[in-house]
Amino acid sequence: EIVLTQSPDFQSVTPKEKVTITCRASQSIGSSLHWYQQKPDQSPKLLIKYASQSFSGVPSRFSGSGSGTDFTLTINSLEAEDAATYYCHQSSSPITFGQGTRLEIK
Amino acid sequence: QVQLVQSGAEVKKPGASVKVSCKASGYTFTSYTMHWVRQAPGQRLEWMGWINAGNGDRKYSQKFQGRVTITRDTSASTAYMELSSLRSEDTAVYYCAGEWSDAFDIWGQGTMVTVSS
Repeated sequence: EIVLTQSPDFQSVTPKEKVTITCRASQSIGSSLHWYQQKPDQSPKLLIKYASQSFSGVPSRFSGSGSGTDFTLTINSLEAEDAATYYCHQSSSPITFGQGTRLEIK
Repeated sequence: QVQLVQSGAEVKKPGASVKVSCKASGYTFTSYTMHWVRQAPGQRLEWMGWINAGNGDRKYSQKFQGRVTITRDTSASTAYMELSSLRSEDTAVYYCAGEWSDAFDIWGQGTMVTVSS
């Protein structure tokens, strides 16, 4: 089973700041890495697929990069509505998720 | 619009079974693979299995093998997840999620399942 480890677990940030969340896979997964945003009491929403492809309707301040074992989700010019937990997900069987990164807006 | 609507919250006793439904609308049901993912309180998302809504092929996580059954009714555009031999550790929110190509493009609203004596 491929283990995904995100860092940091928690980050407190101010609006307009740039945020970087990383996801490390325990073995190479090519570009089969996807990112989701989950707000409290809501279901997750797809942000980025295949490491760097923005999903339809996602604001342009969200971007992704990486391949192999190291991946990054970047949020440029953070907005208050971006307070959420972010998860990475790899699609090689068995499917696994990272532990999540919670973003708090100061 | 494309959406997945799940059945309502359930409270079950240990040892019982629960069956959660996920009704699709706004797209051709057989176009997606439907996954089931759960999230226990304060825990990460956990994949349980999938079903190919077109041909019915399915695959389960080894962790749930023998306890989970995923089915679908194409005439009703609905997928189902049944989990048996429930224990307190199965208390979680259960989600269905539709996959077009690897990623989970769309999610249901979640169904809370509480296992308590």
